Order: sequence, then structure tokens, then C-alpha cells
Amino acid sequence: GENVEQHPSTLSVQEGDSAVIKCTYSDSASNYFPWYKQELGKGPQLIIDIRSNVGEKKDQRIAVTLNKTAKHFSLHITETQPEDSAVYFCAAFTGGGRRALTFGSGTRLQVQP
Amino acid sequence: EAEVAQSPRYKITEKSQAVAFWCDPISGHATLYWYRQILGQGPELLVQFQDESVVDDSQLPKDRFSAERLKGVDSTLKIQPAELGDSAMYLCASSLGPQEITGELFFGEGSRLTVL
Repeated sequence: GENVEQHPSTLSVQEGDSAVIKCTYSDSASNYFPWYKQELGKGPQLIIDIRSNVGEKKDQRIAVTLNKTAKHFSLHITETQPEDSAVYFCAAFTGGGRRALTFGSGTRLQVQP
Repeated sequence: EAEVAQSPRYKITEKSQAVAFWCDPISGHATLYWYRQILGQGPELLVQFQDESVVDDSQLPKDRFSAERLKGVDSTLKIQPAELGDSAMYLCASSLGPQEITGELFFGEGSRLTVL
């Protein structure tokens, strides 16, 4: 089955700096890669996603890049703000036998004011 | 704004007791998922429903866990008997698409279980 690895596990940046979180996946058949933000005591919430036919997608301060050949994808947050502090999860979806998302282990992002 | 409703938000129980969690997905969402999230880890799929049918329960510990979605709407996840290692957040999620994620997966706020 699919295996998703996420790095780093914790990330601390100064307000205004950029943050990058990286994920690798194992199943070359995976075709959908969302990123979720989880605030304390809440369920994960989708912040951006990318499909395998696209190499990059951007939404204001957030961007995601996908390298299908290397089987890795990354989340980029620019001009970080204190409210960006949360746990971020990457995930991969394979449309084969197991039609559900496989999540990474999460990155705790702390933005220092 | 439509939300996935879960209850209870918090549950403390002693080991060997039974516990149940309820989930009401967003109206019209055919696919419902139960995930377990251990502290400091990502969510792991326990069971996936398409309407009232189970399409994947390969990671559900069936000796003690059961899940149902009798009318294809709300769902119940039961644990009996609870064990110390079951302490976790139980997340329910729903999506529109039958048999495939066509877009966003919507999560509820979760039910946090503590087994003493």
C-alpha cells in the first residue's frame, strides 16, 4: 500500500519568513495530493491540493509543488504569520484498491512573532 | 456552512468498557470515513463507507471495533472492550464522490477518547 513520509516533524520560523514542508510517497499510481492544517483541538482542514497532471499550484501565500518522477511534493508558505502556527499534514490518494487518503506524520509549525 | 458533526467531543472510560462514537456527515456526501489519530501522528483510516456499504475495513481491529452506517447517512463506531492503546482522537470525514475522492475531504472536530 501507499506510504507517505513527511519532514521535518517540527519547524520554527520567524514571522515573515518562508516555511517549507516536504513529503515523499511510495505508490507511483497516486494521483491526488492534498495538504491539511490542523489547529489544536480541531479536525484537519484542507488548505491546498494538487493533482498529478499539474506540477505547481499557488493560492495567495501557499504553494504546492509536485515532482512525479521523484515521487515527492512540497508545501511552501511565504510571509508566515502567527496564525499559520498549526500542525500540517500531507496526504496521498491512490485510486486503486484502497480508495482513501494516506497521511504523513505531520509537521508542527511554530511562527515566532 | 455545512459541517461534519461528531459526538461526544470527549470520552473518558475505563478499560474493558464499551464506547460509541457518532458521526453525521455533510448532507449529500455519499462517502464516509472513520480515522484514528494517535497523539503526534497523522490520521489512519479505520473504515470507509460508500452509502451504507463498507468498502474498506482492512485496518479495523474487528475483534473489538465495529462500525455501521445503516441508512447511508449517519454512522456509529463502537469499541468493545476498550483497551489502553485505544486512547486517541477518532475523526469522521465525508466526501462527495462515490468510490473516488473528487475533491475536498471534510473532517469533523473529532472525538477524543481516553482509556484509563
